Amino acid sequence: QSVLTQPPSISATPGQRVTISCSGDNSNIGTYSVDWYQQVPGRAPKLLIYANDRRPSGVPDRFSGSQSGTSASLAISDLRSEDEADYYCAAWGGSLNGHVFGTGTKVTVL
Amino acid sequence: QVTLRESGPASVSPTQTLTLTCTFTGFTLSTSSMYVDWIRQAPGKALEWLARIDWEDDKYYNPSLRPRLTISKDTSKNEVVLRMTNVDPVDTGTYYCGRVAGTYFWATDVWGQGTTVTVSS
Repeated sequence: QSVLTQPPSISATPGQRVTISCSGDNSNIGTYSVDWYQQVPGRAPKLLIYANDRRPSGVPDRFSGSQSGTSASLAISDLRSEDEADYYCAAWGGSLNGHVFGTGTKVTVL
Repeated sequence: QVTLRESGPASVSPTQTLTLTCTFTGFTLSTSSMYVDWIRQAPGKALEWLARIDWEDDKYYNPSLRPRLTISKDTSKNEVVLRMTNVDPVDTGTYYCGRVAGTYFWATDVWGQGTTVTVSS
């Protein structure tokens, strides 16, 4: 079950900036850092952002993350057709709850 | 280069036990702050975390699935095994293993390609 809430879908045109929200609580985002993953249909997820706002090597700086309180967000600037994918946030929920994923957001580039 | 590969049966009958193996290269699970996760995804659904094992053999489970899951490791073979008992058609989906490293603040930085499992009689 997902305990992090994301909007189901976001649509935008190329070049626009989109923001995906991720809402949790004090047991997860309020205590632990947030990661973001990009999943192209039919492919395995790919790490996009870790520790709230850090990008792994090779991830364009068009992708940025932030966290405040029990919420986090992923911003994609200069939206491109190749950014069309599903995006998931995730955070550790403590040893009793384990790792929790968001409900996922489908980004469509019009 | 870090790689992970999942293997196991493509189909399982209801009530049976599903055994999946994650074979990895490029790191060792005896290294401090190293972990391996299992995650699954039902068709058209969100990712769901299943279990984690760490370098000290500590284990963590999804509380809603804990009674049915067992995760274990064989460090000498670079393998992590997940067993799920009493499977049901709702367990159908793609199962991924992934490396979790302290250097990435416990994010899953490398994923396997996934293995698809169908539970059906």
